[in-house]
Amino acid sequence: NAGVTQTPKFQVLKTGQSMTLQCAQDMNHEYMSWYRQDPGMGLRLIHYSVGAGITDQGEVPNGYNVSRSTTEDFPLRLLSAAPSQTSVYFCASSPQGISNQPQHFGDGTRLSIL
Amino acid sequence: AQKVTQAQTEISVVEKEDVTLDCVYETRDTTYYLFWYKQPPSGELVFLIRRNSFDEQNEISGRYSWNFQKSTSSFNFTITASQVVDSAVYFCALSEAGANSKLTFGKGITLSVRP
Repeated sequence: NAGVTQTPKFQVLKTGQSMTLQCAQDMNHEYMSWYRQDPGMGLRLIHYSVGAGITDQGEVPNGYNVSRSTTEDFPLRLLSAAPSQTSVYFCASSPQGISNQPQHFGDGTRLSIL
Repeated sequence: AQKVTQAQTEISVVEKEDVTLDCVYETRDTTYYLFWYKQPPSGELVFLIRRNSFDEQNEISGRYSWNFQKSTSSFNFTITASQVVDSAVYFCALSEAGANSKLTFGKGITLSVRP
């Protein structure tokens, strides 16, 4: 059982480049979300999805796009990378909503923007 | 709006000492859920506990215990007889009820346990 799989684990980009962080889960979870973790800031919610075809913004959505075409996948897109987006990104999932369910986290993607 | 405050940023103890990690939260909802997660140096996030707003019973799991007090909006975490393996960043988090609810994290507490 793979759980939540994030790829890549590490990535270095130049300012202005675009890329997609992949997230896949094999637990048939409805709820998926993306967080970024910065030193001294904890984890901040970027975007989330309560099911296929439904996405919504979190606390820090600017500069990121998401889509949810299947239950399993929830990719995060950086359209034009900026140094301020250097961070560790975590994808998470839970069965139905997150109010009373612990989230399952991927191992993270460490992204550096030069 | 919901908010989680972890006022302690870094704590350093010697092995076998007891240590309490504080968490204070703010929410307007009467139904909400509180969580603690552990992030060891390897970087993954490990779920430790979930507590709903209607259950104020304290919980003990081995060397870990949690004290939930609605009167002070606190959900504190105590590690008894700390060990070096307890060294990690600990996050407290809050979510309100509802299908579209979001999980709000505190900024985390870095715990260092010295041998």
